[in-house]
Amino acid sequence: GQSLEQPSEVTAVEGAIVQINCTYQTSGFYGLSWYQQHDGGAPTFLSYNGLDGLEETGRFSSFLSRSDSYGYLLLQELQMKDSASYFCAVERGDKIIFGKGTRLHILP
Amino acid sequence: NAGVTQTPKFQVLKTGQSMTLQCAQDMNHNSMYWYRQDPGMGLRLIYYSASEGTTDKGEVPNGYNVSRLNKREFSLRLESAAPSQTSVYFCASSAQTGNQETQYFGPGTRLLVL
Repeated sequence: GQSLEQPSEVTAVEGAIVQINCTYQTSGFYGLSWYQQHDGGAPTFLSYNGLDGLEETGRFSSFLSRSDSYGYLLLQELQMKDSASYFCAVERGDKIIFGKGTRLHILP
Repeated sequence: NAGVTQTPKFQVLKTGQSMTLQCAQDMNHNSMYWYRQDPGMGLRLIYYSASEGTTDKGEVPNGYNVSRLNKREFSLRLESAAPSQTSVYFCASSAQTGNQETQYFGPGTRLLVL
């Protein structure tokens, strides 16, 4: 089988750093992706890790460790507009499998 | 360049009614997908089409049919709607760059079945 596990909710303070973890039980995938979805909106692509290690894109970074079946999304200098749901996803053949998402709450 | 478009944006149906959700993309992508999203359940794949002329079942295909009309269009049909099909439906298309696949989502269709 294949599954991705994420915390259902995370709360952080504006200006702080938050890490959203994703553990997976699947094999034979190419890499780990992250998507962001604001309330009432559609998911949008954030980042992709094809290799182990850290990928940085502005305030967002993503990490993958295949040996630990683990990845995370790191958001720095949190802004209120970062309040959203974040999904990790893996590609399996012709399909992408999504985690159930982590709702990020940001406190002022 | 509109990306992925979906119609309608909202729909209310009575149990047993039928309807077709339309999706089109103008990015020349081969692969297209239909997902449903329910609270706490994330995105669940209903059907997908890896290329024009092919369709395959996803995780939750029961009660749905699809048609890949051409490379641009991928429609989802509910033959006899049930309250359990109340959900938000997203269409997506994907681009492959090396080993990286990126999905582009439409704005969604919010469906209420009474």
